[in-house]
Amino acid sequence: SQKIEQNSEALNIQEGKTATLTCNYTNYSPAYLQWYRQDPGRGPVFLLLIRENEKEKRKERLKVTFDTTLKQSLFHITASQPADSATYLCALERASWGKLQFGAGTQVVVTP
Amino acid sequence: DAGVIQSPRHEVTEMGQEVTLRCKPISGHDYLFWYRQTMMRGLELLIYFNNNVPIDDSGMPEDRFSAKMPNASFSTLKIQPSEPRDSAVYFCASTLSEAGNEQFFGPGTRLTVL
Repeated sequence: SQKIEQNSEALNIQEGKTATLTCNYTNYSPAYLQWYRQDPGRGPVFLLLIRENEKEKRKERLKVTFDTTLKQSLFHITASQPADSATYLCALERASWGKLQFGAGTQVVVTP
Repeated sequence: DAGVIQSPRHEVTEMGQEVTLRCKPISGHDYLFWYRQTMMRGLELLIYFNNNVPIDDSGMPEDRFSAKMPNASFSTLKIQPSEPRDSAVYFCASTLSEAGNEQFFGPGTRLTVL
């Protein structure tokens, strides 16, 4: 069965450091991989999308990599700030457009 | 644009009662999604619509759940009768019809069934 795995343990990181989150998947051939941020009591908010033929994507302090051989995406937050504290969700989508399948999310806590 | 609007934001009801959740998608978006989020199961897709037509309802857990989209600016998710295990946060999201497009989520409805 299809499975998407994200680190279930919270990632505690000091302000200014780089946070790295992992999204692994099995039995899936996504054409697109998206990352969302979710704050407590709010809906997920889109951050970045990377296509299967792209290796890396950047947006300000965020960087996403996508390795279809390893079936893994890494999400980096550089120069992390306390305001980056949230839960980050990865989501996969097939080429024949339709559903997004979400991972369970990883909580990031950035301390001053 | 105000974004995706959901109501109510919180709903507390007793087992056996009917619950109706409401959603107004972003104007111009032609896809609408209903999700459910729990600690145990994460964010699950229940059903989605394209141009007001249900496309895939394979995520709807049981016949107790039903969803409608009578027009492009309104959708409802109904649970009848409700059960305690339906307690969750229900999100509505919308997007434009193109693969790889981001989805815009509403603030969610927190449902508690006693």
